[in-house]
Amino acid sequence: AQSVSQHNHHVILSEAASLELGCNYSYGGTVNLFWYVQYPGQHLQLLLKYFSGDPLVKGIKGFEAEFIKSKFSFNLRKPSVQWSDTAEYFCAVSKNYGGATNKLIFGTGTLLAVQP
Amino acid sequence: DAGVIQSPRHEVTEMGQEVTLRCKPISGHNSLFWYRQTMMRGLELLIYFNNNVPIDDSGMPEDRFSAKMPNASFSTLKIQPSEPRDSAVYFCASHGELADGTQYFGPGTRLLVL
Repeated sequence: AQSVSQHNHHVILSEAASLELGCNYSYGGTVNLFWYVQYPGQHLQLLLKYFSGDPLVKGIKGFEAEFIKSKFSFNLRKPSVQWSDTAEYFCAVSKNYGGATNKLIFGTGTLLAVQP
Repeated sequence: DAGVIQSPRHEVTEMGQEVTLRCKPISGHNSLFWYRQTMMRGLELLIYFNNNVPIDDSGMPEDRFSAKMPNASFSTLKIQPSEPRDSAVYFCASHGELADGTQYFGPGTRLLVL
């Protein structure tokens, strides 16, 4: 069965530190990959997604992620975090059926706390 | 675009009562998903619909939970009878025809069963 692993459950950083959150998935076929962010008390919002093409994807708020097919990974990065990046981050994968509806498989989330 | 709309935003009820959560997907979206989020279990997919038809309800915890989608613009998730362990945030999400499967989430309903 498909699964998504997020290795870090809690991350604490100081402002201006660099961030990398790990994400690995188990499915071997063609996939679509997502990072969602959930700010405290809010709903999930799309941060960035990989569908096809350039494996380095840039999202909102200075975030980027790199799809490495050989490693089944889609790690999220940001060169310099801000206090406002404090949130929970979810990696998700869906199978690419070329237009058919498919469900997202979410990782367990990584709680990021940025200290001012 | 109003986004996915959920109501109520907060619900406090007593054990044994019926709870009905409502969701209006983004206009034109043909797939709708219900999730439950708790500290212990994280984000769980309960059920999803495509063109108003339930496709996968394997995540529905037990018979006390039921979901319907009578038309393309409305869905309900019902819990009857409710129990304290049902306390959670329930999210609805929808997605349209795009092949990448991006889901757009509603603000959630925070349910507390006493």
